[in-house]
Amino acid sequence: AQSVTQLGSHVSVSEGALVLLRCNYSSSVPPYLFWYVQYPNQGLQLLLKYTTGATLVKGINGFEAEFKKSETSFHLTKPSAHMSDAAEYFCAVRANSGGSNYKLTFGKGTLLTVNP
Amino acid sequence: DGGITQSPKYLFRKEGQNVTLSCEQNLNHDAMYWYRQDPGQGLRLIYYSQIVNDFQKGDIAEGYSVSREKKESFPLTVTSAQKNPTAFYLCASSARQGSYTEAFFGQGTRLTVV
Repeated sequence: AQSVTQLGSHVSVSEGALVLLRCNYSSSVPPYLFWYVQYPNQGLQLLLKYTTGATLVKGINGFEAEFKKSETSFHLTKPSAHMSDAAEYFCAVRANSGGSNYKLTFGKGTLLTVNP
Repeated sequence: DGGITQSPKYLFRKEGQNVTLSCEQNLNHDAMYWYRQDPGQGLRLIYYSQIVNDFQKGDIAEGYSVSREKKESFPLTVTSAQKNPTAFYLCASSARQGSYTEAFFGQGTRLTVV
């Protein structure tokens, strides 16, 4: 079984400050990991994904995430927050093998607020 | 443009009624999914389908039904057996070959019981 834990349901930062959204996963096999962003009353948009290879993954809008196997983490960061980054962010995991490997398991989400 | 279309965007249901949410994709994806989203609970999987004429229950399938008669379409019916149907419903699709591929999402349908 696989699961995702997002630490902090709500994160508030000032404009220009570092954004750090935490994600830890549980998987019995090497996982594929994803971060999605959701704006109010809209669907989810992919920010970035880790599959294999380089553990530091760059995504859209200046976001990046680092896969740390030893810590079972995939935290999302952005050096300088912008007002337009205010949204809800979801971490997701998909197992790398098995008959159910096409299901994505999501964390509960982290709402990011950016203060002027 | 390729994408996933959900309709309607807003839907109101009376107590005891069945309603059907539409999901159509033109991405040529084999796999399709339905998620339910409630505040603070993330996305929970209702049903998924990896190929036409086949689908499996997700984590919260009770009170819901689906069909997959065409590759492009995966409608969700919320039946009267679903006791708390008010939620935001998201449809997604992904390429079946390779679990490294991401899921693409529609814009969602907000269902409200009146």
